Amino acid sequence: KQEVTQIPAALSVPEGENLVLNCSFTDSAIYNLQWFRQDPGKGLTSLLLIQSSQREQTSGRLNASLDKSSGRSTLYIAASQPGDSATYLCAVLIQGAQKLVFGQGTRLTINP
Amino acid sequence: GAVVSQHPSWVICKSGTSVKIECRSLDFQATTMFWYRQFPKQSLMLMATSNEGSKATYEQGVEKDKFLINHASLTLSTLTVTSAHPEDSSFYICSAPRGAAYEQYFGPGTRLTVT
Repeated sequence: KQEVTQIPAALSVPEGENLVLNCSFTDSAIYNLQWFRQDPGKGLTSLLLIQSSQREQTSGRLNASLDKSSGRSTLYIAASQPGDSATYLCAVLIQGAQKLVFGQGTRLTINP
Repeated sequence: GAVVSQHPSWVICKSGTSVKIECRSLDFQATTMFWYRQFPKQSLMLMATSNEGSKATYEQGVEKDKFLINHASLTLSTLTVTSAHPEDSSFYICSAPRGAAYEQYFGPGTRLTVT
């Protein structure tokens, strides 16, 4: 059974810092991995999708990496801003299945 | 980018009544949609997979007679909470995958409060 773990559960850093959020999964047979952002009371916004054959994806200040063999992904946020404060969720799509398996999320607070 | 909408964004209903929530893919067709439930400060819990033109597939422990799902077209899936009770109060979110990469796009969610 695929399990996804995100560490840390919460993170608070001053504005301007670069930071890394971690995601690990137990079964390397994944189709893709997505990173999402969720603001309080809102739905999920897709940030980056990494297909199983890819190693990383970049969008603006965000960079996500994938190491399928070790079952790990990281989300790197450069030059953090207060507007980056949100909960970040990673989810994997299992090969042959349609369902996403989510981690519990990292609640990020960027202090001005 | 792809857009998924939900209606209503919030609803308050009395115990024993039924509530219907709509999920629409606005600029793409979705033969499959997913319904999730989220409790405060927790991650998403998949309730069911909605399949256009066929029956939904429910996750273990989800009552299919209580949470009725209809996927009537390639852009619309509905979730009806029947005979709602206060314990059904929650945040319900739908998603739809798009493209060969199967990227998931989520709706903005519906806050249901049962009094």
